Amino acid sequence: KAGVTQTPRYLIKTRGQQVTLSCSPISGHRSVSWYQQTPGQGLQFLFEYFSETQRNKGNFPGRFSGRQFSNSRSEMNVSTLELGDSALYLCASSLGRRETQYFGPGTRLLVL
Amino acid sequence: SQELEQSPQSLIVQEGKNLTINCTSSKTLYGLYWYKQKYGEGLIFLMMLQKGGEEKSHEKITAKLDEKKQQSSLHITASQPSHAGIYLCGADRDTPLVFGKGTRLSVIA
Repeated sequence: KAGVTQTPRYLIKTRGQQVTLSCSPISGHRSVSWYQQTPGQGLQFLFEYFSETQRNKGNFPGRFSGRQFSNSRSEMNVSTLELGDSALYLCASSLGRRETQYFGPGTRLLVL
Repeated sequence: SQELEQSPQSLIVQEGKNLTINCTSSKTLYGLYWYKQKYGEGLIFLMMLQKGGEEKSHEKITAKLDEKKQQSSLHITASQPSHAGIYLCGADRDTPLVFGKGTRLSVIA
């Protein structure tokens, strides 16, 4: 079975721009979660989607949004990028909620 | 303060030596996950512990959960260069997972 895939793997943007990251879960997995990883804060939860509905949201500003499609693929969007948004964005999928999460390779975003 | 504290923060061991990484929670642990991360890459699932006293092994890595102490330990026997990376513990908090800041392990010849 193919693992979790994330595109793009690397991204360079400038302040004020917006960005969309994509995540394709493992086949059959219906839950997708997004995390932000930075050297200072570590791994922080962004959102969780299950059956196209946002089930949980972390403590991030409204500039961060996401969605899940009927095939369980998910996207996250960050608008009005700030320098502090530079991070590794990780997507994880699981069969259902509270099941083991399997992570993708991440998208490294650099905001200049 | 961090809900999950990992110690040590970093570790350098000689190839072939044993080592232990600890993960201590400030809250009751209902489920504890261990992941490994190569620098700048995704997390690789190692194992999950649910019950107090539970112990699981995968190849040369053994993890234990001490519910009373709200602590888990990860032990690597006869370390190899392939064990190098960042080890993260994650607590099951009714989704999402809450993670410690990680322990960076280097294995030198």
